[in-house]
Amino acid sequence: NAGVTQTPKFRILKIGQSMTLQCTQDMNHNYMYWYRQDPGMGLKLIYYSVGAGITDKGEVPNGYNVSRSTTEDFPLRLELAAPSQTSVYFCASIDSYEQYFGPGTRLTVT
Amino acid sequence: DAKTTQPPSMDCAEGRAANLPCNHSTISGNEYVYWYRQIHSQGPQYIIHGLKNNETNEMASLIITEDRKSSTLILPHATLRDTAVYYCIVDSGGSNYKLTFGKGTLLTVNP
Repeated sequence: NAGVTQTPKFRILKIGQSMTLQCTQDMNHNYMYWYRQDPGMGLKLIYYSVGAGITDKGEVPNGYNVSRSTTEDFPLRLELAAPSQTSVYFCASIDSYEQYFGPGTRLTVT
Repeated sequence: DAKTTQPPSMDCAEGRAANLPCNHSTISGNEYVYWYRQIHSQGPQYIIHGLKNNETNEMASLIITEDRKSSTLILPHATLRDTAVYYCIVDSGGSNYKLTFGKGTLLTVNP
């Protein structure tokens, strides 16, 4: 199993641009999550999904959108990027009690 | 979900046991204690979890006090590769499983 994969690894966006962060897991997990981590801080939950077609907001959803059309994929969409969205983004899925994290996407908005 | 309190940093000598404390005085009866760690900006890694009883796996041991208001993660023989931020999290799991990560404890293992 590849586990949780994320693309791209790095990205620089200009203010106002949009992009989609991709996340795929091959473990057939129903629950998937998107977190962001600012420098020196813990992870904050953006959105999560309990299965295909079902998503819900986390702690910091503003400026982001998600969709879940398949069990495997959980893309995160940034519309109108802002400098405050400069962060490292982690995708995760869960198997009963253990959350598996992807390697992260480092995003800079300038 | 209950809040946890951890020291911001700790040091440990290589080969010695590392004991990382966590206070979760407002934990509810159905909430588990989870420990994760994050090595140098990688994605967090699950270590161990427990409800009431002490737990042990190949990575660590988890000691939960009888009143469940605090716990200690023990790395029995710390190595340099154990240098990481360690997060203590309480969560009820199930359909409400949404881990809340605080700032954690930066454990530095020194040679």
